[in-house]
Amino acid sequence: DSGVTQTPKHLITATGQRVTLRCSPRSGDLSVYWYQQSLDQGLQFLIQYYNGEERAKGNILERFSAQQFPDLHSELNLSSLELGDSALYFCASSVGVSSDTQYFGPGTRLTVL
Amino acid sequence: AQSVTQLGSHVSVSEGALVLLRCNYSSSVPPYLFWYVQYPNQGLQLLLKYTTGATLVKGINGFEAEFKKSETSFHLTKPSAHMSDAAEYFCAVSDQRGGADGLTFGKGTHLIIQP
Repeated sequence: DSGVTQTPKHLITATGQRVTLRCSPRSGDLSVYWYQQSLDQGLQFLIQYYNGEERAKGNILERFSAQQFPDLHSELNLSSLELGDSALYFCASSVGVSSDTQYFGPGTRLTVL
Repeated sequence: AQSVTQLGSHVSVSEGALVLLRCNYSSSVPPYLFWYVQYPNQGLQLLLKYTTGATLVKGINGFEAEFKKSETSFHLTKPSAHMSDAAEYFCAVSDQRGGADGLTFGKGTHLIIQP
């Protein structure tokens, strides 16, 4: 158990819908990262927040957005969902802002029908 | 831009045999390097990491990796494979410029252990 929690574990929705994935970092960690894992693209970095502020962007689509709240939990919002958005979404956390060890949560499996 | 190449999407070894998983990276600056393991239906667990200093890094579960700058490699080894080592292994690189960054992962290597 990494100490990073993600909800829900599974999510099934239809194309065109909007969903929100939630992540709680390890106690004491200020950075939260979001990753997408799919068979086509592998593991891809989406976005990072540090202490409430966006710090880095990876291959995140414009239909996707994230935020980190004052209690440091984070939400990833996915809108206008397409079949290709079906994937495993991981959250990771680390103590500092860069290059620290990232601890991964168990992931949320999103299925878009 | 940095990238990671893992040679062999599947590697099969016999129980008790040497495990060797290959990872090569490209980075414009000295990188931080990581190996993660993913068991079925679970998240990623850190095996080991290289930041600075000693190039031979020891991790959990008997794994180790050696950073070779001249070869831009960070291969993962274990002297004697166990059935419980069967999993997906990912090599990752982080740009240590000091700014914010995410990890760049390789495609992964599925390790199969034959009894």
